[in-house]
Amino acid sequence: AQKITQTQPGMFVQEKEAVTLDCTYDTSDPSYGLFWYKQPSSGEMIFLIYQGSYDQQNATEGRYSLNFQKARKSANLVISASQLGDSAMYFCAMREGGDNNDMRFGAGTRLTVKP
Amino acid sequence: DAGVIQSPRHEVTEMGQEVTLRCKPISGHDYLFWYRQTMMRGLELLIYFNNNVPIDDSGMPEDRFSAKMPNASFSTLKIQPSEPRDSAVYFCASSLYTGYTFGSGTRLTVV
Repeated sequence: AQKITQTQPGMFVQEKEAVTLDCTYDTSDPSYGLFWYKQPSSGEMIFLIYQGSYDQQNATEGRYSLNFQKARKSANLVISASQLGDSAMYFCAMREGGDNNDMRFGAGTRLTVKP
Repeated sequence: DAGVIQSPRHEVTEMGQEVTLRCKPISGHDYLFWYRQTMMRGLELLIYFNNNVPIDDSGMPEDRFSAKMPNASFSTLKIQPSEPRDSAVYFCASSLYTGYTFGSGTRLTVV
């Protein structure tokens, strides 16, 4: 069974600084996808970034980058130049290949950006 | 595209009543998922469909919960009878290949 672990219930970062949100996963499937979602206080789930298990390079999307370390089974999210609007819950998720196409989520990390 | 559309946005009902949550996925997406989010349990997958067929309903908490997808553009999640512990935000999401697109969710309160 797949499992997603986010060990940081809460994180604080100073505005304009970079922050790393940790995520480790467990799967025996060689084909899988890793995702990060942002959930602001308004409640919607916003897709941020995706990394495929066979991708050679770390994914980047604007200020978001994914530090993918396959051997360690980690997929940390790096947010550069934090903004006040980045304050939200962040969820790491994984979707395996093969017949199982459901996505499982970690418990989330609440990020607070301080001015 | 208008995205994944869920209705209602908020629902308050009395214990014992039937509740029906609705979802319209993005056109062309062949997967549809129902999740429940609570403070205690986080995001839980309840059930998902592929091409309108239920694939995995192992996350449905009990027989009071049922879900249908009569066609590619509509799905319902029904709770009958509802209980206070069903209070949560229920998300619908649809997908084609990789990531999911989530609806805005339905906040259900059972009193």
